[in-house]
Amino acid sequence: GIQVEQSPPDLILQEGANSTLRCNFSDSVNNLQWFHQNPWGQLINLFYIPSGTKQNGRLSATTVATERYSLLYISSSQTTDSGVYFCAVPPTGTYKYIFGTGTRLKVLA
Amino acid sequence: ETGVTQTPRHLVMGMTNKKSLKCEQHLGHNAMYWYKQSAKKPLELMFVYSLEERVENNSVPSRFSPECPNSSHLFLHLHTLQPEDSALYLCASSQLLGTDTQYFGPGTRLTVL
Repeated sequence: GIQVEQSPPDLILQEGANSTLRCNFSDSVNNLQWFHQNPWGQLINLFYIPSGTKQNGRLSATTVATERYSLLYISSSQTTDSGVYFCAVPPTGTYKYIFGTGTRLKVLA
Repeated sequence: ETGVTQTPRHLVMGMTNKKSLKCEQHLGHNAMYWYKQSAKKPLELMFVYSLEERVENNSVPSRFSPECPNSSHLFLHLHTLQPEDSALYLCASSQLLGTDTQYFGPGTRLTVL
């Protein structure tokens, strides 16, 4: 089955720093989603991004489906950005989202 | 209430108990999902319902029994669970099956003693 790998697994930042999170997937996909799971377990959808680039405030994401990767950019990080970031993809022809193992981000004040 | 709600938020049960988890979505969506999140493992899809019909059972043991009485409600009935079933159980919904943004509930943290 499809493999979804995220890097780095852990990241510690000072408040105000920028970061790039990466999601690699091993097979072709129809779409891709990025989620943020806060320390209380709530998963929030950040982007639905099968291809191209999208921006939402301090966050932006780029997916290059032909090269099987996606990037999530966080600029001017804040302590509320802490948590785990997941990407999820359904293999082409399916609706079963496969989640990556996540990047655990901690932003220090 | 807005979005996706789940009750209870925390549940402790013995291996011989029977309990149910409830999920309700207030978004008018047509698809609903159960996921399991164990410590240090990726989220695993358990069941998928589309228009109240189960379209996916992702090799889940029969001690987990889902029920979708209407498009707004989803239940997960639990019986004779094992300690390794302790996890965060997340419900999600989307307007369309699969190819659409998924919205998650806050989860039920289950501990099986």
